[in-house]
Amino acid sequence: GNSVTQMEGPVTLSEEAFLTINCTYTATGYPSLFWYVQYPGEGLQLLLKATKADDKGSNKGFEATYRKETTSFHLEKGSVQVSDSAVYFCALFSGYSTLTFGKGTMLLVSP
Amino acid sequence: GAVVSQHPSRVICKSGTSVKIECRSLDFQATTMFWYRQFPKKSLMLMATSNEGSKATYEQGVEKDKFLINHASLTLSTLTVTSAHPEDSSFYICSARDPGATLNTEAFFGQGTRLTVV
Repeated sequence: GNSVTQMEGPVTLSEEAFLTINCTYTATGYPSLFWYVQYPGEGLQLLLKATKADDKGSNKGFEATYRKETTSFHLEKGSVQVSDSAVYFCALFSGYSTLTFGKGTMLLVSP
Repeated sequence: GAVVSQHPSRVICKSGTSVKIECRSLDFQATTMFWYRQFPKKSLMLMATSNEGSKATYEQGVEKDKFLINHASLTLSTLTVTSAHPEDSSFYICSARDPGATLNTEAFFGQGTRLTVV
């Protein structure tokens, strides 16, 4: 079956630091990959996505590249801000099933 | 992009009462919606798949009689937590996919409902 593994948090960084949140997956076929962000007390928002190998999704300074050879979709940002503090979920979608989520990684950015 | 609206965002109820949460797709018709529950510091747990005009499909371990799902129209699914108890306190989130969009597209999520049972 499908599964998503992402690094456990919390990840604690100072403002303007470089961010990497690792995500690897197991899936049949050729899934689409997503990063969702959840701000405190809110639902999930799509941050970025990639639908095929070597695609790079990007949004709000965040990037992730679909690496089929390593089955990874690591999230990166060159300079984080306090407002980026949130929980980040890596997810995959394959076929007509629902999304498969990782357990989420909390990011805490201090001034 | 498509919008999914969930209501209410927060609700506090007494133990033993029932609470209804609504999930609406605002600019597309959703034949299928999904209900998730999120525990503190845990990922999202899929509770059930809501199918318009038919019975919901529940995940293993989710009580059908406890969490009643009704998908009466193509834009509305409701989750009713019956005879709520403090252990039902959680963050509930719905999502829907636009069937008119391309395959392998993302799901759109509601804002979530924080349920507190006292």
